[in-house]
Amino acid sequence: AAGVIQSPRHLIKEKRETATLKCYPIPRHDTVYWYQQGPGQDPQFLISFYEKMQSDKGSIPDRFSAQQFSDYHSELNMSSLELGDSALYFCASSLVGNSGANVLTFGAGSRLTVL
Amino acid sequence: AQSVTQLDSHVSVSEGTPVLLRCNYSSSYSPSLFWYVQHPNKGLQLLLKYTSAATLVKGINGFEAEFKKSETSFHLTKPSAHMSDAAEYFCVVSDGTDKLIFGTGTRLQVFP
Repeated sequence: AAGVIQSPRHLIKEKRETATLKCYPIPRHDTVYWYQQGPGQDPQFLISFYEKMQSDKGSIPDRFSAQQFSDYHSELNMSSLELGDSALYFCASSLVGNSGANVLTFGAGSRLTVL
Repeated sequence: AQSVTQLDSHVSVSEGTPVLLRCNYSSSYSPSLFWYVQHPNKGLQLLLKYTSAATLVKGINGFEAEFKKSETSFHLTKPSAHMSDAAEYFCVVSDGTDKLIFGTGTRLQVFP
């Protein structure tokens, strides 16, 4: 079965540079989420999109922005990178409206290293 | 506000012995609770979920968890640990929207 695809898997940038992460959700899933997991930390919610509109916002820095496109893939743009942005960035997708709890399926993550 | 507390940051067991990973939750209403597993350098995989149906939830790889409202607990158990179970385990609660709130994680080590 198709899973959530994230690219790139690894990315190395220098301070003050810009990075873009991409996420391709499971086909027919209508909601995409971004999480950030710092070294030794639990994942923290950044932002989510439902049907291409921002649906919720967490602890996402102003230097970061994201959007969901017409094909439902999403991109997380990070500018003016700081050392503290080094983390594993997870994308997850779900189909809202299913009976029961909304279950998120996570991608394998994109590891960003800022030097 | 919803939150989860994982009571142990590390748990070590011998292969073939039972596993118990403890989780307490705080919720103002009936929560949805999950356990996710993260293997080294891998993504997050759903083990099981509780959604106000049966209080004993069976998941993948022989894991199960019991929702106990009186104790506000959702502990994860497995009768017999396998070496491949070594990973980080996250107890997760849904805040009523789609947003998941993760616990701080429990690292499970399995010794031969």
